[in-house]
Amino acid sequence: DARVTQTPRHKVTEMGQEVTMRCQPILGHNTVFWYRQTMMQGLELLAYFRNRAPLDDSGMPKDRFSAEMPDATLATLKIQPSEPRDSAVYFCASGSGQGGRPQHFGDGTRLSIL
Amino acid sequence: RKEVEQDPGPFNVPEGATVAFNCTYSNSASQSFFWYRQDCRKEPKLLMSVYSSGNEDGRFTAQLNRASQYISLLIRDSKLSDSATYLCVALSSNTGKLIFGQGTTLQVKP
Repeated sequence: DARVTQTPRHKVTEMGQEVTMRCQPILGHNTVFWYRQTMMQGLELLAYFRNRAPLDDSGMPKDRFSAEMPDATLATLKIQPSEPRDSAVYFCASGSGQGGRPQHFGDGTRLSIL
Repeated sequence: RKEVEQDPGPFNVPEGATVAFNCTYSNSASQSFFWYRQDCRKEPKLLMSVYSSGNEDGRFTAQLNRASQYISLLIRDSKLSDSATYLCVALSSNTGKLIFGQGTTLQVKP
């Protein structure tokens, strides 16, 4: 089965450090989504891309977060500088972009900022 | 008000019980709906799509009422392995964005 691949699976770092999370969407999928999940907020959409173009990043704190898709096989989410409140699980998901088709999630990156 | 709302539970039921989860959505432009299942410390996984006519997949039945903007999931003969969080999801066909509910936690006990 094709899968969305995320790296790293876990990341622990000190506040102020840069964090980069990577995602390889399923081959042929043209939409990519970044979500953040915490106990308090549940799943929140941070940003998403269609055909590598950013469509909506309104859910993302612009001052410290950035999302890019340098090519069709790689999406990145960066936090600089990181803060303890960024601790969460970050999921990447990809979809075919066709109406009514669901998304498939990666295993997530569990991020802890000390 | 959240765009997709669910009762967070937890629902604690014995094995073999029938349990139903409900969900409401506020955006009438939402066109497609899904139930995702999320196990502890795992990623959400698609459980089933929800069709207007209602649909069944084994022990699971999903229903959609567009007039009331209401979605349900029924689990019959619940198993221990059904213990998880069930996420109600609305998809905007225009944007391709999935809007997740907070999830309903189910704990099936022996």
